[in-house]
Amino acid sequence: NAGVTQTPKFQVLKTGQSMTLQCAQDMNHEYMSWYRQDPGMGLRLIHYSVGAGITDQGEVPNGYNVSRSTTEDFPLRLLSAAPSQTSVYFCASSYSNRGTEAFFGQGTRLTVV
Amino acid sequence: DAKTTQPTSMDCAEGRAANLPCNHSTISGNEYVYWYRQIHSQGPQYIIHGLKNNETNEMASLIITEDRKSSTLILPHATLRDTAVYYCIVRVAYSGNTPLVFGKGTRLSVIA
Repeated sequence: NAGVTQTPKFQVLKTGQSMTLQCAQDMNHEYMSWYRQDPGMGLRLIHYSVGAGITDQGEVPNGYNVSRSTTEDFPLRLLSAAPSQTSVYFCASSYSNRGTEAFFGQGTRLTVV
Repeated sequence: DAKTTQPTSMDCAEGRAANLPCNHSTISGNEYVYWYRQIHSQGPQYIIHGLKNNETNEMASLIITEDRKSSTLILPHATLRDTAVYYCIVRVAYSGNTPLVFGKGTRLSVIA
């Protein structure tokens, strides 16, 4: 098992550019989520999904889109990057209804200039 | 609003037990206490979780008070590799729509 894989690990964008952060898991987890972490802060939930075709907003969804067409993948799209979106992004997955641990990817460090 | 309260930082001598407190005075009957840690800038790592009984695994022990309003995570023999930010989270388990909500956690520094 590879666990939760995020790509890319590092990215620099110019203001106004768009990009997609990729997240894939091979554990057949129903639940996937995206967080952002700013310097010195805890993780804040952006969007989450409880299964293919189902997504919902978290605490800080503005400026981000998600979709879940397969169980394995949960991409995060930035439509028009802004400097305020400079952050480290983490993807996580877990079983929906077993109350067990969530697995996190190693993060994508995004800088918007 | 944060559902848990943790000290901002703590120090622990290498080889000694690290006891990390967490206050969750408004916890509901169906909410579990979860602990995660984040080493440097890596993705968070699950440590342990419990409802009302004390729990132990290969990483740590979780002691929950009888009234469930507070808990303590115990790392029995802290090493330098345990230096990390530790997050205490309350969450309804076995519920598909309940995400993990992180606070600011406790920064534990293990000192040689």
